[in-house]
Amino acid sequence: GAGVSQSPRYKVAKRGQDVALRCDPISGHVSLFWYQQALGQGPEFLTYFQNEAQLDKSGLPSDRFFAERPEGSVSTLKIQRTQQEDSAVYLCASSTGQGTTEAFFGQGTRLTVV
Amino acid sequence: GENVEQHPSTLSVQEGDSAVIKCTYSDSASNYFPWYKQELGKRPQLIIDIRSNVGEKKDQRIAVTLNKTAKHFSLHITETQPEDSAVYFCAASPRTPLVFGKGTRLSVIA
Repeated sequence: GAGVSQSPRYKVAKRGQDVALRCDPISGHVSLFWYQQALGQGPEFLTYFQNEAQLDKSGLPSDRFFAERPEGSVSTLKIQRTQQEDSAVYLCASSTGQGTTEAFFGQGTRLTVV
Repeated sequence: GENVEQHPSTLSVQEGDSAVIKCTYSDSASNYFPWYKQELGKRPQLIIDIRSNVGEKKDQRIAVTLNKTAKHFSLHITETQPEDSAVYFCAASPRTPLVFGKGTRLSVIA
């Protein structure tokens, strides 16, 4: 595709509900990143994939957060038993290689937990 | 791990004036420093980047400078225009992934 695509754009979840957020990276991009952006803050790193391998998940805030990229392209971020503090914009980015290349961001999924 | 500090958090300038945003980083292994612009409700987009083997880079009205000894880098926007109003993020990368600053909200007043 032309860019990184995320769905849904907006998600309202009741507290305790499970959610799944999808990211379609730019075709051929090896690296895929998930970031969490709270209102008025910078993106905070969650996890990173190189192809299908999850190389770093040190930013995941709890074991309720889980990410996968089984075929090395589309990725899903799953949040179980959502809580109000999970409300944020979840950004996905992809790049051709490792840290020294441009990361292209998707438009994000705004999650609101009520 | 890497820690990136960004200042100021908000900045207002008159149209036509210059704007400067400064960032410091902690990990001397960082070698890639991009700047992203994020308009309200939109995705962050790269506006300029610099690598550690270069001290300055310019692209039209935008320039970035890097001081590796002091571990700081700055974004300079000259002849600001209302469409420059947005939130700007610096980032540093010692290795994957990028570590972002908290952002600067720039308002250009016509």
